[in-house]
Amino acid sequence: SQQGEEDPQALSIQEGENATMNCSYKTSINNLQWYRQNSGRGLVHLILIRSNEREKHSGRLRVTLDTSKKSSSLLITASRAADTASYFCATDGNSGNTPLVFGKGTRLSVIA
Amino acid sequence: DTGVSQNPRHKITKRGQNVTFRCDPISEHNRLYWYRQTLGQGPEFLTYFQNEAQLEKSRLLSDRFSAERPKGSFSTLEIQRTEQGDSAMYLCASSLGRIGTHTGELFFGEGSRLTVL
Repeated sequence: SQQGEEDPQALSIQEGENATMNCSYKTSINNLQWYRQNSGRGLVHLILIRSNEREKHSGRLRVTLDTSKKSSSLLITASRAADTASYFCATDGNSGNTPLVFGKGTRLSVIA
Repeated sequence: DTGVSQNPRHKITKRGQNVTFRCDPISEHNRLYWYRQTLGQGPEFLTYFQNEAQLEKSRLLSDRFSAERPKGSFSTLEIQRTEQGDSAMYLCASSLGRIGTHTGELFFGEGSRLTVL
C-alpha cells in the first residue's frame, strides 16, 4: 500500500509560474524524499528532508516538512517546460527501517 | 555509464510464459531494490537485497515471482506463468547503506516495461 498521497493529482501551469505540490503521509518518518519521473523513464532523486528539518532548498526547489501534520510540500519556482514530469514523495519508517514507500504522484504539465 | 542498468527495456509476452529481468546496480552499492509501477501509480516495493541476501519481500511478491542477487552484484527478477495483471513497469534501484536501514536516496534504472497479452 502507498503511504504518501500527493495533492493535486494533476497540475497544469504556464511557464514562469510557481508549482506547489503537497504530500501527506500516515506514520512517523525518519526522512522524506521527493523524486521526479519523466514519462516512461526511471525516477530521479530531487531532495531529501530529515524529520528534524522544516525547510530545505535546492536550486529552484523548496521543500517544507510539518511532522505534526504529517505533510510536506514541494515548490518549484519559475517553472520551465522541462519541469513537465510526475513528482512523487517517498517516506521511510520511523528509524529508517522501512523501504521507501511512494505516493501516487502529481503530474505536472508546464505549458510554454 | 555508471548508473543503474536494466534489461530488457521492453518485453511483450503471452500469458503463461516466463520472463526474466536483469538489473545491474551502481557497482559500489550494497543495497538493491525492486519496485513495480502501474500506470498512474507510484512505485510499489517488491523486494530488497543487502549484498546477496534477500532481506525483505512484499506480499505483492507472489510465489510466481522470484528474485536473486547471486554475488551481491547484478540481480534478476523472474516472473513465472505471467498473468495480464503482471503488466507493469519493473523498476530497479540501488543505494549504499547499513544493513537494516533504508535511509538515503535511491538511484533508479530506466525500468523494464512488461506487457502480458
